[in-house]
Amino acid sequence: GEDVEQSLFLSVREGDSSVINCTYTDSSSTYLYWYKQEPGAGLQLLTYIFSNMDMKQDQRLTVLLNKKDKHLSLRIADTQTGDSAIYFCAESTKGNKLVFGAGTILRVKS
Amino acid sequence: GAVVSQHPSRVICKSGTSVKIECRSLDFQATTMFWYRQFPKKSLMLMATSNEGSKATYEQGVEKDKFLINHASLTLSTLTVTSAHPEDSSFYICSARAVGTDSPLHFGNGTRLTVT
Repeated sequence: GEDVEQSLFLSVREGDSSVINCTYTDSSSTYLYWYKQEPGAGLQLLTYIFSNMDMKQDQRLTVLLNKKDKHLSLRIADTQTGDSAIYFCAESTKGNKLVFGAGTILRVKS
Repeated sequence: GAVVSQHPSRVICKSGTSVKIECRSLDFQATTMFWYRQFPKKSLMLMATSNEGSKATYEQGVEKDKFLINHASLTLSTLTVTSAHPEDSSFYICSARAVGTDSPLHFGNGTRLTVT
């Protein structure tokens, strides 16, 4: 079945880069997503990558996809305190459903 | 960008009552909307897929008679939690995708339901 795994916690200093990793199992995934959730709020789409791409960059965000290893990562450059949140990795499966990882709590220390 | 509005953002109700949560796509039409439930410090669990003009498709283990879904138009889906119990207290989030595109899912801001 489909499964998405992420590390649970990451702590970085302000100004450093953050790298959040994710692995997935469904090789037929078409899109892979990164969402951000702040306390008490819904999910904000950060970025997504089509499965035939290796990399996507959007301002401070860089997504790397290793389809062979089914590994996805999100790099946040120059991490700020406002980046503190939970980050969810998700894959798009048959029927356009999303399967989410458990979320990675990013804590940014000033 | 695509906007999904969810209402109410918070609701407190007594056991045994029913609560309706609305999900609207504000600037696009969506034939399909998805309802998720999030437990504290846990990931999101897909409850059901809401299909405009037809019955919703429920995930295994989700009681369709308890969580009534209606998708009456291309911009509105509702989730009604019937005869609510304290264990139904949770964060419910809807999402939608524009018709006929491969655009990503956009989420509403969620509804915090507390059943006392």
